[in-house]
Amino acid sequence: DAGVIQSPRHEVTEMGQEVTLRCKPISGHDYLFWYRQTMMRGLELLIYFNNNVPIDDSGMPEDRFSAKMPNASFSTLKIQPSEPRDSAVYFCASSFSRGYNEQFFGPGTRLTVL
Amino acid sequence: SQQGEEDPQALSIQEGENATMNCSYKTSINNLQWYRQNSGRGLVHLILIRSNEREKHSGRLRVTLDTSKKSSSLLITASRAADTASYFCATDVDGRFGAGTRLTVKP
Repeated sequence: DAGVIQSPRHEVTEMGQEVTLRCKPISGHDYLFWYRQTMMRGLELLIYFNNNVPIDDSGMPEDRFSAKMPNASFSTLKIQPSEPRDSAVYFCASSFSRGYNEQFFGPGTRLTVL
Repeated sequence: SQQGEEDPQALSIQEGENATMNCSYKTSINNLQWYRQNSGRGLVHLILIRSNEREKHSGRLRVTLDTSKKSSSLLITASRAADTASYFCATDVDGRFGAGTRLTVKP
């Protein structure tokens, strides 16, 4: 298995632009997590899905952020409009059964908003 | 707030020494997990210990769990420069992570 796949690996955009981050979880995993990591705030859980359904989005910072999971093999995290404070590394992770099995993390997307 | 909190925030040792880092949590758990993150990479799962286990080993890693104190420790024996990374704990309660312990192993 290729593991969790994220794209793009790096994204540089200007303030106000829309940004879409993509994630392909490991086949068969029924949980998908989106995290954001910064030096100041550490690793923050933004949202997680179970069987493609959003379960907890309390970590989503504001309405500019949205996440979807149209099917078991694909999820997106969208920021519209983007702001410089959104600059961070965004990780996607998947697991077979949240909390009982390990989360497998993708390589992350490094987002820079100018 | 996150369930797991790591301590110390940073640890610097010489190669060959042992490294111990701790994790405290707030509520009852079914399991606790330790992860490693190398600079610029995603987290990698190291070991999972269940609430009915007190100690678990994996290679040079030893994890203990004290449910009465709501704490866990990760011991890395005979450390190597390649062990330099940040280490995080997480529980099954909410899957969130603390700030981590940044371990530096000097050659």
